Amino acid sequence: EADIYQTPRYLVIGTGKKITLECSQTMGHDKMYWYQQDPGMELHLIHYSYGVNSTEKGDLSSESTVSRIRTEHFPLTLESARPSHTSQYLCASSDVKGTRYEQYFGPGTRLTVT
Amino acid sequence: SQQGEEDPQALSIQEGENATMNCSYKTSINNLQWYRQNSGRGLVHLILIRSNEREKHSGRLRVTLDTSKKSSSLLITASRAADTASYFCALPSGGSNYKLTFGKGTLLTVNP
Repeated sequence: EADIYQTPRYLVIGTGKKITLECSQTMGHDKMYWYQQDPGMELHLIHYSYGVNSTEKGDLSSESTVSRIRTEHFPLTLESARPSHTSQYLCASSDVKGTRYEQYFGPGTRLTVT
Repeated sequence: SQQGEEDPQALSIQEGENATMNCSYKTSINNLQWYRQNSGRGLVHLILIRSNEREKHSGRLRVTLDTSKKSSSLLITASRAADTASYFCALPSGGSNYKLTFGKGTLLTVNP
């Protein structure tokens, strides 16, 4: 099992609330990613980071924002949650060394906005 | 960025049988990865196959890559109930081997 953690695992919150989904990894990986996945569907990359102070938007447009102040920490924030944000959010990391392209995933946060 | 297409979308077999799922893609790639996802949890990396490899094994898993047909297959031999999961192929995206796009996956159900 990879050492990548996400909290909370489940979150039910009302419309308009600000939320932060936490993601931490202890592997010293430079690259980190956030994906959004609806039930039974593919993963969509919404944010990624190739190192501290580096963040980029992914292929799927998202109203969320991310920060990367420390190598091990990559939190995702929604300033004002809406029902359309209801989904599962998966965090992942990968090692930049050589040709190790595989990603290690956290268990996910299942977000429900009422 | 391209997305792999897995086939079939769902597969149901008995324990002990083999399961084969396929992934097709449109443009040339450097490598292709397979991941497993158990019941809505995080994904687990299974195997990576590079464009200069035709076949790769890992335990009960066998992956093939046919770059001329732009397709890959994942074979799970002697399946177990614990193999019940969704299986995704992942392709490099946006000119980077580190960014991935995932297909819709194949849902495998192994009945005891």
